[in-house]
Amino acid sequence: AQSVTQLGSHVSVSEGALVLLRCNYSSSVPPYLFWYVQYPNQGLQLLLKYTTGATLVKGINGFEAEFKKSETSFHLTKPSAHMSDAAEYFCAVSLNQGGKLIFGQGTELSVKP
Amino acid sequence: DTGVSQDPRHKITKRGQNVTFRCDPISEHNRLYWYRQTLGQGPEFLTYFQNEAQLEKSRLLSDRFSAERPKGSFSTLEIQRTEQGDSAMYLCASSPRGAAIGETQYFGPGTRLLVL
Repeated sequence: AQSVTQLGSHVSVSEGALVLLRCNYSSSVPPYLFWYVQYPNQGLQLLLKYTTGATLVKGINGFEAEFKKSETSFHLTKPSAHMSDAAEYFCAVSLNQGGKLIFGQGTELSVKP
Repeated sequence: DTGVSQDPRHKITKRGQNVTFRCDPISEHNRLYWYRQTLGQGPEFLTYFQNEAQLEKSRLLSDRFSAERPKGSFSTLEIQRTEQGDSAMYLCASSPRGAAIGETQYFGPGTRLLVL
């Protein structure tokens, strides 16, 4: 069965520092992987996704993620954190049937001035 | 092109009451999904529709839960005889063209339910 693990429920960085949010997945078939962001009291917004092709995926707001099959990872990075990046981030995998998403438990990102 | 909308945004009810939530997907999106998100957790899949057909229901969806999507447009999620454990954010999402694999799901703002 597919599953997603996000390492670290809470990550704190200083403004301007590198952001690294970790995501590992388990899947018996080639996965489709997503990162979503959720601001307080709002729904989820897609940051980026990997389906096929290039393993380095660029998303909105300067975020990117690299699919590493050998490590079963899809970590999210951003070179320089902004205060506006403070939010909850969810990694998710799409199953082959139905397209439903399986989410990790989320990582709350705090950005210190 | 408006996004996914959900109504109401907040609902407070007493244990044992019935509640109904509505989701309006993005126009012409074939697939519609319901998820439940409890505090500090990621969303969990509840059910999804391809047009008007309900194709899958999670084991999380007990007999007290029912969802419909008449005419393949908006969808409703009803919870009967609510329990305190039903308190959560209920999220709706839609995706276009019915191409499920790898297709982006667009989420609504959610309905936050509190059962007293």
